[in-house]
Amino acid sequence: QKEVEQDPGPLSVPEGAIVSLNCTYSNSAFQYFMWYRQYSRKGPELLMYTYSSGNKEDGRFTAQVDKSSKYISLFIRDSQPSDSATYLCAMRKGAGNMLTFGGGTRLMVKP
Amino acid sequence: EAGVAQSPRYKIIEKRQSVAFWCNPISGHATLYWYQQILGQGPKLLIQFQNNGVVDDSQLPKDRFSAERLKGVDSTLKIQPAKLEDSAVYLCASSLEAPGEQYFGPGTRLTVT
Repeated sequence: QKEVEQDPGPLSVPEGAIVSLNCTYSNSAFQYFMWYRQYSRKGPELLMYTYSSGNKEDGRFTAQVDKSSKYISLFIRDSQPSDSATYLCAMRKGAGNMLTFGGGTRLMVKP
Repeated sequence: EAGVAQSPRYKIIEKRQSVAFWCNPISGHATLYWYQQILGQGPKLLIQFQNNGVVDDSQLPKDRFSAERLKGVDSTLKIQPAKLEDSAVYLCASSLEAPGEQYFGPGTRLTVT
């Protein structure tokens, strides 16, 4: 069993839809949670960063962490075709520990 | 500000051949990472440097992979000899310090035939 699981998709939604992307993890030691966006043939770029449980909002993006369920989510409001990409969750146990990535979910937003 | 530079962008080699990848991090970034991303999977850390010292190489297959960052700036990752299962995108990332936001380069796509 992988430490971090993500549904690979693809997830196809119409423009303007609310998108929900999720990750589950097995190791309760993870404390820092991140979401990266990766366009085709590009490197990942950091979208959201949260520590421990709770919500964080940045523009159209909201990250949620539920440590009791070992479940994290990324919501995208008013999705745009430019949001079409692969979304990777990542997490680390401590401030200095290495990142463990999920496999990524491919999102397609259709005009 | 220039981003992380990597070369080559694409490389095709036959199994048992050797290959080297180059990375130039963002100026001033002390921490440099090499990741392997197999198609359909998330990046996996191979090695982390702090300046020119190795911080973590626990997931580096040391029998065939090697990496160096001699002057604490540029870095090279080498595979010798390559296997079919080494086909992947090799990503370089850098951060001002560890931990810190990691900025990724575009990657080198390696195909081993």
